[in-house]
Amino acid sequence: ETGVTQSPTHLIKTRGQQVTLRCSSQSGHNTVSWYQQALGQGPQFIFQYYREEENGRGNFPPRFSGLQFPNYSSELNVNALELDDSALYLCASSLAVKNTEAFFGQGTRLTVV
Amino acid sequence: AQTVTQSQPEMSVQEAETVTLSCTYDTSESDYYLFWYKQPPSRQMILVIRQEAYKQQNATENRFSVNFQKAAKSFSLKISDSQLGDAAMYFCAYSFYGGATNKLIFGTGTLLAVQP
Repeated sequence: ETGVTQSPTHLIKTRGQQVTLRCSSQSGHNTVSWYQQALGQGPQFIFQYYREEENGRGNFPPRFSGLQFPNYSSELNVNALELDDSALYLCASSLAVKNTEAFFGQGTRLTVV
Repeated sequence: AQTVTQSQPEMSVQEAETVTLSCTYDTSESDYYLFWYKQPPSRQMILVIRQEAYKQQNATENRFSVNFQKAAKSFSLKISDSQLGDAAMYFCAYSFYGGATNKLIFGTGTLLAVQP
C-alpha cells in the first residue's frame, strides 16, 4: 500500500507566475484535502475534493483552484503568485469524507520571490 | 467558528521523563474529533492519537495518552518515557463530524525538544 506522495518537494517561483502542485492519494482513498502551512504556523485548510468534486473550501481567494482526477490524484493550482503564498503545501487523503483519519504527504515547499 | 489554541510555543523534556502539552479549543458542536499530530523535520504530519468527543474514556497509544476534559474544552497530550525521536512540532487539531468535509482545524503548534 503506497502512501500519499507529493511533487515537487521544493520549488521557487517569481511573483505573478502560476504554479501547479501534485498529490497522489493513498490507495483506495477518494477524498483529498489541501492545506497551506506558513512558517511557524499550523496548517490552514484550502479545500477538499471528493470523487472529483470540490465539496468544501477554506478562506482562500479564487486564484487557488484544484482538480481531482478519476484515479483520485489531485492538483492544486495557484495563479498570480504573491510573496505571502510562500509556504509548505500539504496534501492529505482519507477513505471517505466522513472518515476522519487523514494521511498526509511530505509537502511541497513553495518559495515566491 | 471553531478555534484551537496551543499556548506553549516550545517545551523541553529530559529523555525518559514525562511531558504534557496543552491544547484548548472552542466549538458549539457536541460531536467532533480531536487529534494530536507530530511533524518532524521531514515535514510529514503523523497522527499520534485521536479522541472521539462522545467517548468519556481518554485515548491512549503506547507512551502517548490524552486528558480530555469536554466541559472545559481542554485536550492535553502526555508523553511518557520521552525518547529522542519524540522531538518534533506537535499540533492539536479539531474536526467536526457533522460537516460537509472532514477538514482539520489546527493550533499553532508546540515545538518539543528532548534533551539526552
